[in-house]
Amino acid sequence: AQTVTQSQPEMSVQEAETVTLSCTYDTSESDYYLFWYKQPPSRQMILVIRQEAYKQQNATENRFSVNFQKAAKSFSLKISDSQLGDAAMYFCAYRSAYTGNEKLTFGTGTRLTIIP
Amino acid sequence: DGGITQSPKYLFRKEGQNVTLSCEQNLNHDAMYWYRQDPGQGLRLIYYSQIVNDFQKGDIAEGYSVSREKKESFPLTVTSAQKNPTAFYLCASSIGRPVLTDTQYFGPGTRLTVL
Repeated sequence: AQTVTQSQPEMSVQEAETVTLSCTYDTSESDYYLFWYKQPPSRQMILVIRQEAYKQQNATENRFSVNFQKAAKSFSLKISDSQLGDAAMYFCAYRSAYTGNEKLTFGTGTRLTIIP
Repeated sequence: DGGITQSPKYLFRKEGQNVTLSCEQNLNHDAMYWYRQDPGQGLRLIYYSQIVNDFQKGDIAEGYSVSREKKESFPLTVTSAQKNPTAFYLCASSIGRPVLTDTQYFGPGTRLTVL
């Protein structure tokens, strides 16, 4: 079974600075997808960024980028130019690429605080 | 607007009662999912459905039931057999098979409290 570990329960960053959230995962599969979801105080889960394991290039979405290290099974999220609206819980998630195993496996989350 | 709606936003239940949580989507997605979120934990999969009239148990299906009679709707019933039902429940949908790259999108959630 796959597992996802987020070792930082809480992080804080000054507004306009850069912060990196860590995520590691364990799998025996070679093809899969990794996601970062954001959960603001409204509690709705919002997709931040997605990475396909077969792609070597790290995904980027505006101020959000990932550092995907497949051999190390590491998938960190970097937020540049942090804004007050980035304050939220951030969840890393894994999904198999194989049919019949489409569920998302989530980490326990990292609470990000933005300091004005 | 396309999206996923869940109702009600807050739900209170007395012990021994069954309650049904609603999830509707107008994204024309084939696949739908129910997750449970407890404090300090990530989401855990309860049930999922890849197509109408078909659904599979997830990791924590005991005490829950679902139906998928329409593509747009995937209601979740929390039965009296569920020992600790107080939690936040999230519904999600995705395009589904055979699109293996599909992403799950979430509704706003329902907070269930057992009194």
